[in-house]
Amino acid sequence: GQQVMQIPQYQHVQEGEDFTTYCNSSTTLSNIQWYKQRPGGHPVFLIQLVKSGEVKKQKRLTFQFGEAKKNSSLHITATQTTDVGTYFCAEGGSGNTGKLIFGQGTTLQVKP
Amino acid sequence: KAGVTQTPRYLIKTRGQQVTLSCSPISGHRSVSWYQQTPGQGLQFLFEYFSETQRNKGNFPGRFSGRQFSNSRSEMNVSTLELGDSALYLCASSLQGDNTEAFFGQGTRLTVV
Repeated sequence: GQQVMQIPQYQHVQEGEDFTTYCNSSTTLSNIQWYKQRPGGHPVFLIQLVKSGEVKKQKRLTFQFGEAKKNSSLHITATQTTDVGTYFCAEGGSGNTGKLIFGQGTTLQVKP
Repeated sequence: KAGVTQTPRYLIKTRGQQVTLSCSPISGHRSVSWYQQTPGQGLQFLFEYFSETQRNKGNFPGRFSGRQFSNSRSEMNVSTLELGDSALYLCASSLQGDNTEAFFGQGTRLTVV
């Protein structure tokens, strides 16, 4: 069945260092969404990527969708303590569906 | 605009009991999806409702069921609770359920003892 693999599972960085999480699928993804979940919180939508090779930026966050639409990445430049949390990628289905298939998530810890 | 509201926030139940969780989506949103979140399995899709009809279903046993009302509010029910059902149950709503942004509620933390 559908499966989205996400690595690494955990990442500890020093404040100011960069951080990247990767999402991979063996099949072509219709679209990919990224969510952030703070400790004790709920997932919050960050962005959606739809087009092959798409790159989107939100301040220090850069999101990429692979040319083959089988992988995606989220890169954070110069991490801050406010970046702490778990980042999930999720495949949205094709057509009319609200179903999301989530990756396992990458938990980011930032040491001040 | 009010967000997605889930009630109750916390529940403790005994094995064998049944439980009903409630989700009120954002006003105007017609799609409501349910997810189970556990440390071991992550976020797993349970089912999606759109206009009172179940549109998608995940790989969960029949003990897990749900429904949606005409005002888009949704409930999910778990019967014959097992210890492994202990989890955070999250509800997400979206406008049309057409691959756009999903808004999650705070979740219901269910503990089965």
